[in-house]
Amino acid sequence: EDQVTQSPEALRLQEGESSSLNCSYTVSGLRGLFWYRQDPGKGPEFLFTLYSAGEEKEKERLKATLTKKESFLHITAPKPEDSATYLCAVLNSGGYQKVTFGIGTKLQVIP
Amino acid sequence: NAGVTQTPKFRVLKTGQSMTLLCAQDMNHEYMYWYRQDPGMGLRLIHYSVGEGTTAKGEVPDGYNVSRLKKQNFLLGLESAAPSQTSVYFCASSYPRTSGNEQFFGPGTRLTVL
Repeated sequence: EDQVTQSPEALRLQEGESSSLNCSYTVSGLRGLFWYRQDPGKGPEFLFTLYSAGEEKEKERLKATLTKKESFLHITAPKPEDSATYLCAVLNSGGYQKVTFGIGTKLQVIP
Repeated sequence: NAGVTQTPKFRVLKTGQSMTLLCAQDMNHEYMYWYRQDPGMGLRLIHYSVGEGTTAKGEVPDGYNVSRLKKQNFLLGLESAAPSQTSVYFCASSYPRTSGNEQFFGPGTRLTVL
């Protein structure tokens, strides 16, 4: 069974204090690893898809990386508006489009 | 483009009542999904559809039914609501590709069953 574990569960940063969120996964054939951002009371917002180990993608202050067992979401010089819950998910190579989500990391950036 | 929309946004039901949640997307996506999100748990797939007129069970289908009569709409029904169905429900859609398949989510419906 596919599994996604995210750590830490919660992270509190000062504005400008860079850090990383971790997503460890086990999946029967990875077709894609996704990062989403979810604000309170809203639906998840797509950020990145990573397909293979060694791949990296960037968007503003966010950079996602992928290895064979885990993915990192690096946040450089975060701002208060980066506060949100970040979800990681994996898509396996099975017969249907089954995506397994982690519980998420709740990030709070303090001015 | 509105993306993925859901109605209603909030609903309170009594045990045993029925209701239908509506999801609509204007991105011409083939695949549509219904998830529920509960505290301390990841998003869990209830039912999904890979095209108009087709539906299939996900991880937690019991107590729910779905229909996809039109490509752009995906309905989730609760025939006899139970307190365990209190949750936030999200609809999502995607366009299948040979590698990767990012899903786009609606704003959610917060359902309380008393």
